[in-house]
Amino acid sequence: DGGITQSPKYLFRKEGQNVTLSCEQNLNHDAMYWYRQDPGQGLRLIYYSQIVNDFQKGDIAEGYSVSREKKESFPLTVTSAQKNPTAFYLCASSIGRTVSYNEQFFGPGTRLTVL
Amino acid sequence: QKEVEQNSGPLSVPEGAIASLNCTYSDRGSQSFFWYRQYSGKSPELIMFIYSNGDKEDGRFTAQLNKASQYVSLLIRDSQPSDSATYLCAVNHGWKTSYDKVIFGPGTSLSVIP
Repeated sequence: DGGITQSPKYLFRKEGQNVTLSCEQNLNHDAMYWYRQDPGQGLRLIYYSQIVNDFQKGDIAEGYSVSREKKESFPLTVTSAQKNPTAFYLCASSIGRTVSYNEQFFGPGTRLTVL
Repeated sequence: QKEVEQNSGPLSVPEGAIASLNCTYSDRGSQSFFWYRQYSGKSPELIMFIYSNGDKEDGRFTAQLNKASQYVSLLIRDSQPSDSATYLCAVNHGWKTSYDKVIFGPGTSLSVIP
């Protein structure tokens, strides 16, 4: 079964703690993305990666970090510098720029709550 | 002006009716357009994409694109209660950058009343 997996499904963070959200895909997609969704709002781009060992900041990168050491994996770390991290985090992937329409497919999401 | 705009709703339609969801975008050079469905507490699921002016049909869903008016819509025929969800419009601005930046609208909440 091809798809995108995210773990954990629910995550609780204490003040001042760093946490890492996992995202894995077996679709052989080159591009991967992290979005944040707040209640009643659209998706906001945190980071994206078009290729292994390369990634770029999105619109709201402050307080987050990523790595892309393998094509299949794109973990997101929410650092203590992110002051309001409670949100629904979505990972997505797409084939890459070789395809003109390049639709994105989403994982099931991780719901992060700050205690 | 926001880059991608949608009516937030909620949009209520009776079962069996046609639901019409609208989206406007600001970047005239946008190339491709997507509709996602998102059930409460779940991740977005791609329904359709369109990149040529006109209509594209897939089952009960029809996407319509008018680049001159910077307008894209989604029609759902024979609406079912299971269609009740938030529908996200997304626009690919990739022509401007080395990255296919997809901008998502805030979504329209649809409720189909049995």
